[in-house]
Amino acid sequence: DAKTTQPNSMESNEEEPVHLPCNHSTISGTDYIHWYRQLPSQGPEYVIHGLTSNVNNRMASLAIAEDRKSSTLILHRATLRDAAVYYCIPRRQGGSEKLVFGKGTKLTVNP
Amino acid sequence: AAGVIQSPRHLIKEKRETATLKCYPIPRHDTVYWYQQGPGQDPQFLISFYEKMQSDKGSIPDRFSAQQFSDYHSELNMSSLELGDSALYFCASSVRRGGSYEQYFGPGTRLTVT
Repeated sequence: DAKTTQPNSMESNEEEPVHLPCNHSTISGTDYIHWYRQLPSQGPEYVIHGLTSNVNNRMASLAIAEDRKSSTLILHRATLRDAAVYYCIPRRQGGSEKLVFGKGTKLTVNP
Repeated sequence: AAGVIQSPRHLIKEKRETATLKCYPIPRHDTVYWYQQGPGQDPQFLISFYEKMQSDKGSIPDRFSAQQFSDYHSELNMSSLELGDSALYFCASSVRRGGSYEQYFGPGTRLTVT
């Protein structure tokens, strides 16, 4: 499993964009990059995933570096409900399906 | 939309007792996963099932066993409970399509061993 490095914590103000970085320098060519988040007292929640190209969905955008050794999750306008721990998780296509949670980033959103 | 259902939501047991946690996946999902999250820790994978067969195994103690039934629900059986088993236990389900396998998590069962 590829090792990931994320900041322990980040802060943002409500209505402002947030860029959450992740380094995954040992990622293999077939690993998807998944992002999950865990709100307080809840189970983890899927946010977005990608392979090579940048991806957008209703929750967030995912920017993947050209060499795929890093990625950035972008929340375009943070809300108080976005306060959570965000996990970046490389997952091998066709291999083990488990999620390996590393030390994610705890995002605090200030009103 | 239907979500993953876990029962019970809270469970209090004494040391050396047994516990059974149940998970009902989202309809038409064929894969179930179990994760354990200790206090202040990140979720850790325990075991998974695909089409009722065990598909992967993580750091699951020998005292724990699990299975997936014909209706796709899954049960995690825990015996000889120890204080260190106190944790949140999450079940997740997914369906295999497009190679992405995003997982949908239940609300968790909080197990307290006294």
